[in-house]
Amino acid sequence: DIAITQSPSSVAVSVGETVTLSCKSSQSLLYSENNKDYLGWYQQKPGQTPKPLIYWATNRHTGVPDRFTGSGSGTDFTLIISSVQAEDLADYYCEQYFVYPLTFGSGTKLEIK
Amino acid sequence: QVTLKESGPGILQPSQTLSLTCTFSGFSLSTYGMGVGWIRQPSGKGLEWLANIWWDDDKYYNPSLKNRLTISKDTSNNQAFLKITNVDTADTATYYCARIDNYDWYFDFWGPGTMVTVSS
Repeated sequence: DIAITQSPSSVAVSVGETVTLSCKSSQSLLYSENNKDYLGWYQQKPGQTPKPLIYWATNRHTGVPDRFTGSGSGTDFTLIISSVQAEDLADYYCEQYFVYPLTFGSGTKLEIK
Repeated sequence: QVTLKESGPGILQPSQTLSLTCTFSGFSLSTYGMGVGWIRQPSGKGLEWLANIWWDDDKYYNPSLKNRLTISKDTSNNQAFLKITNVDTADTATYYCARIDNYDWYFDFWGPGTMVTVSS
């Protein structure tokens, strides 16, 4: 199985700041035949359902604000949230869909100072 | 618009079989490339993928649950199902179904989840 490691486990930032969340995979998620990284990010606000943010490591899901940016390739990925808003308080999960079984990271909890 | 909704028993006893239903609209599991997955989340913990089923009836399971899972579909009624046999307290969780397609491969629409408690 591909292991996904997210860090930090929690982070607290002030409104307006930028925060970087890390997601590392135990093996490459880059498929050479289409040059795509099989990595997604999800946001789960307290008491709510997970919502997709990013797919193919860098593509925003429909309606996601452009302050959310996915980057990285291979085994190292980041989610950058610029100008953090109070509404961004949530858990953030990355998921690899390169191979079965699909696996999620353990999440990063974003808190607002 | 795409919507999904899970339903389940709410509570069941150890060793029983958990039966979950995902009723969806806005897409069809008879359409090429469409799929539905099941994901669960114990309270206060992370997400665990359980199984996917595809338009062509291809099925994939999380081997960590050994042979306890069975996923199926009813395309006529726009439903997908998941059964988990021999449940125990570790299966207590919120269970989500979500849509997936074989173009973008991520879970792009999720149901609100159904909470399942296993208790004697």
